[in-house]
Amino acid sequence: AQSVTQLGSHVSVSEGALVLLRCNYSSSVPPYLFWYVQYPNQGLQLLLKYTSAATLVKGINGFEAEFKKSETSFHLTKPSAHMSDAAEYFCAVITYGQNFVFGPGTRLSVLP
Amino acid sequence: GAVVSQHPSRVICKSGTSVKIECRSLDFQATTMFWYRQFPKKSLMLMATSNEGSKATYEQGVEKDKFLINHASLTLSTLTVTSAHPEDSSFYICSARARGSTYNEQFFGPGTRLTVL
Repeated sequence: AQSVTQLGSHVSVSEGALVLLRCNYSSSVPPYLFWYVQYPNQGLQLLLKYTSAATLVKGINGFEAEFKKSETSFHLTKPSAHMSDAAEYFCAVITYGQNFVFGPGTRLSVLP
Repeated sequence: GAVVSQHPSRVICKSGTSVKIECRSLDFQATTMFWYRQFPKKSLMLMATSNEGSKATYEQGVEKDKFLINHASLTLSTLTVTSAHPEDSSFYICSARARGSTYNEQFFGPGTRLTVL
């Protein structure tokens, strides 16, 4: 069975600081990994996805994530936080023939 | 491309009434649609999976008589919350998997906020 953990239910950073949101997965077969962002009362917006091509994946809004098989991680980063980045972020894993499994989410706060 | 819509975006109803939520894939054919429920400050919980033309598969603990799912066409799935009660108040999100998807990617709708008074 596959699973996802996100270390830190709430992360606060200052505007302009590095954003690092952690995601670790467990899967017995090669996974596909996704990061979604959710703003209040809205659905999920895809930030980026890893589908077994390049291990460093660039997404929208300046975010990127690196797939590290040895660490079973897919951490999300952004060099410089913006106020508009404040939202809930979900990491998700899927393998062929299975359904999405979402992590518990990390709420990002950006302080002025 | 790959846009999923939900209607309504927000609904308020009285206890005991039934509410129907529509999920549409606007520019692709969705062989499989998924319904999720999200509680405040929580992650998404898969309720059921529906394939076009067949009965939905419900996750453990989800009452199929309470949450009726119909997937009548390749672009439309509906979730009906029957005899709604305040505890059914939640954010409901649908997603759709495209025909021929190479890695089972799902495209998510914007969600429907249900409030039962």
